Amino acid sequence: GENVEQHPSTLSVQEGDSAVIKCTYSDSASNYFPWYKQELGKGPQLIIDIRSNVGEKKDQRIAVTLNKTAKHFSLHITETQPEDSAVYFCAAPSSGSARQLTFGSGTQLTVLP
Amino acid sequence: DARVTQTPRHKVTEMGQEVTMRCQPILGHNTVFWYRQTMMQGLELLAYFRNRAPLDDSGMPKDRFSAEMPDATLATLKIQPSEPRDSAVYFCASGLARGTEAFFGQGTRLTVV
Repeated sequence: GENVEQHPSTLSVQEGDSAVIKCTYSDSASNYFPWYKQELGKGPQLIIDIRSNVGEKKDQRIAVTLNKTAKHFSLHITETQPEDSAVYFCAAPSSGSARQLTFGSGTQLTVLP
Repeated sequence: DARVTQTPRHKVTEMGQEVTMRCQPILGHNTVFWYRQTMMQGLELLAYFRNRAPLDDSGMPKDRFSAEMPDATLATLKIQPSEPRDSAVYFCASGLARGTEAFFGQGTRLTVV
């Protein structure tokens, strides 16, 4: 099955600075890599995803990069704001037809005002 | 505003009692996932349904947990008998079989004392 590792587990940045979270995966057949944001008391919410046929995708202040050769992908948040503070999870699908996601262990991002 | 609805949001029960958690997937979605979230283990997949049929429940303790979909608008997760180690937040997510995005509910926070 898929194994997803995520770093760092905690990250503090000053408001306006950039934040980068990195994940590695084990299954070379994986072709879809979503990132979820979880705020306190809520369920994870998809914020951006990338498929294996592209190397980078951007949506306003967030971007995701994918290196299939190295089997790692990263989330980049620029011009961070206090409302970006949350736990972020990367994920990758398990092999086979089931498509269930294996999640990373999460990164607690704190944006300091 | 389509969303996954979970009930109850919070449940406190005594060890040995039966617990039933309910999930209403987004209308039209034909895949349903149950995840458990704890500090130690993160997000773990418990069960996965497609078109109401269980495809994978290998992550679920079989002796006390059961998951069903009585109809397309309701998924249930039961624990009988409950134990303190079952204390966690249980999330339901739904999606389309042809897609890969999973939409999460708000979760049920279960405390077994």
